[in-house]
Amino acid sequence: KAGVTQTPRYLIKTRGQQVTLSCSPISGHRSVSWYQQTPGQGLQFLFEYFSETQRNKGNFPGRFSGRQFSNSRSEMNVSTLELGDSALYLCASSPSSGSPLHFGNGTRLTVT
Amino acid sequence: GQQLNQSPQSMFIQEGEDVSMNCTSSSIFNTWLWYKQDPGEGPVLLIALYKAGELTSNGRLTAQFGITRKDSFLNISASIPSDVGIYFCAGQIMNGNQFYFGTGTSLTVIP
Repeated sequence: KAGVTQTPRYLIKTRGQQVTLSCSPISGHRSVSWYQQTPGQGLQFLFEYFSETQRNKGNFPGRFSGRQFSNSRSEMNVSTLELGDSALYLCASSPSSGSPLHFGNGTRLTVT
Repeated sequence: GQQLNQSPQSMFIQEGEDVSMNCTSSSIFNTWLWYKQDPGEGPVLLIALYKAGELTSNGRLTAQFGITRKDSFLNISASIPSDVGIYFCAGQIMNGNQFYFGTGTSLTVIP
């Protein structure tokens, strides 16, 4: 079974730009969660989608948004990028909301 | 959000030694998970725990769900070089879906 696939693996953007990250969950998994990982803050929850609906949202500004498609694939968008948005963005899928998470290898975003 | 205190922050051990790390919370959790993350990769699920007192093994790894439901422990026996990485605990509160993560324990195994 293929694991969680995140694209792209690396991104370099400039302050003020926007970015879209993509996540394909494990086949059959309907829940997708997004986390931001930084050395100082660890893994911080961004949001969770289940059956195309946002179930939970973390404490991030409105510049961070996401969506889920009918095939369970998910995208995350960050607008008006700031230097502090530089991080590893991890996507995780699970069969249902609340069951153990299976992570992808992340997208490393660098904002200059 | 929920605060998970994970300790120790880092460990340097000799190959063959046993390792213990733990995670504590101020809230009662109904699920504890343990993950390992290698450089440049995402966390990989090692063990999932669902009941207070539960003891579960995965090879040389053993994890326990604390009786108080506010803590969990991970032990690695007879460490080997490939055990190197960062270990994270994650917990889920009662009636919640979100998982909260500890700050990680960085493990270095000296051959």
